Amino acid sequence: GNSVTQMEGPVTLSEEAFLTINCTYTATGYPSLFWYVQYPGEGLQLLLKATKADDKGSNKGFEATYRKETTSFHLEKGSVQVSDSAVYFCALRLTGAGSYQLTFGKGTKLSVIP
Amino acid sequence: SQTIHQWPATLVQPVGSPLSLECTVEGTSNPNLYWYRQAAGRGLQLLFYSVGIGQISSEVPQNLSASRPQDRQFILSSKKLLLSDSGFYLCAWKQGTYEQYFGPGTRLTVT
Repeated sequence: GNSVTQMEGPVTLSEEAFLTINCTYTATGYPSLFWYVQYPGEGLQLLLKATKADDKGSNKGFEATYRKETTSFHLEKGSVQVSDSAVYFCALRLTGAGSYQLTFGKGTKLSVIP
Repeated sequence: SQTIHQWPATLVQPVGSPLSLECTVEGTSNPNLYWYRQAAGRGLQLLFYSVGIGQISSEVPQNLSASRPQDRQFILSSKKLLLSDSGFYLCAWKQGTYEQYFGPGTRLTVT
């Protein structure tokens, strides 16, 4: 089956530190990959995505590269801010007909302290 | 532009009481609609999805049910709540090849 594995949190960083949140996946087909972010008390927002191998998704200073050889989609940011404190979810969706579902990882909570 | 609404935002219900959560989408037609649950300390679990009026697919057997009486309305229900039903319920929509967009969520506490 399809699954997504994220590094367990919580992750606590000082402002301006470098962030990496690891994500690996298993899939029966050729998936699209996503990172969603959930700020406290809110729903999920799409942060970035990549639809094929070697694609790099980027948004708000965050980046993730689709690595087919390592089945990974690690999230990175060079300098985090307090406002980046949130829960981050890695997800995949198989492409093709009937691809209705997103499969999510369990989420990684990030806390950035001043 | 498209927007998605959920209500209520928070709800406290006793064990054994009924439940009805509503989700509506504006600015689109014939979207796919989804209900997810996020339990405390756990990830997102897909509960139901719908590709059209009256069409519901269940992903996890449980005491919850879903209905889609109108194109842009998706309702999550229960006849008798359990303590384990507590969590954060998220509705999402998707159209065509576009990605899923999530509503603000409903926090349900069953006491």
